[in-house]
Amino acid sequence: NAGVTQTPKFQVLKTGQSMTLQCAQDMNHEYMSWYRQDPGMGLRLIHYSVGAGITDQGEVPNGYNVSRSTTEDFPLRLLSAAPSQTSVYFCASSQTTGTSGLETQYFGPGTRLLVL
Amino acid sequence: AQSVAQPEDQVNVAEGNPLTVKCTYSVSGNPYLFWYVQYPNRGLQFLLKYITGDNLVKGSYGFEAEFNKSQTSFHLKKPSALVSDSALYFCAVREGGGFKTIFGAGTRLFVKA
Repeated sequence: NAGVTQTPKFQVLKTGQSMTLQCAQDMNHEYMSWYRQDPGMGLRLIHYSVGAGITDQGEVPNGYNVSRSTTEDFPLRLLSAAPSQTSVYFCASSQTTGTSGLETQYFGPGTRLLVL
Repeated sequence: AQSVAQPEDQVNVAEGNPLTVKCTYSVSGNPYLFWYVQYPNRGLQFLLKYITGDNLVKGSYGFEAEFNKSQTSFHLKKPSALVSDSALYFCAVREGGGFKTIFGAGTRLFVKA
């Protein structure tokens, strides 16, 4: 199993450009999520999905869109990049359970994004 | 709303000494608590979790954590620190049955030889 994979590893954008951060998992996990990591602020939840066709907002959703057409993939879209979106982005996946919600999350290696 | 506080930005400890990384939390329901570790330029790796049962939870690499409901704390501990334990540690909380996991700001652990 490859686990959780993310592409690209590093990206430089100009303000106003758009791009998609890719995330894929091969563990058949129902739950997937996107976080951003900024110094001194830990990880903040952007969006999450509990299954194909179902997404919801996290703590900091503004400026980001997501969709979940398959169980394996959960892309994160920046429609018009801003310098404030410079960050390291992590995708994670987890199995869900009937009563306890989530099991342990598995994280991808991250995408480092610089917006000029 | 859920929240997690890691009151120390950095913890310094000598190799062979015990270490503690502190975490307090706030949730409205039953807490599910997690510790993750991040090494430089890597993603987060799971260390341990508390769902229910014994208050003392044992995890990977000799780490353990103690759940204290009255103090709403979930401190990470290790009896004897190694230089290789130097990393960034994150505490996280999720309300039981929910899907949002909230992370603390992280504590950098530095173990000196």
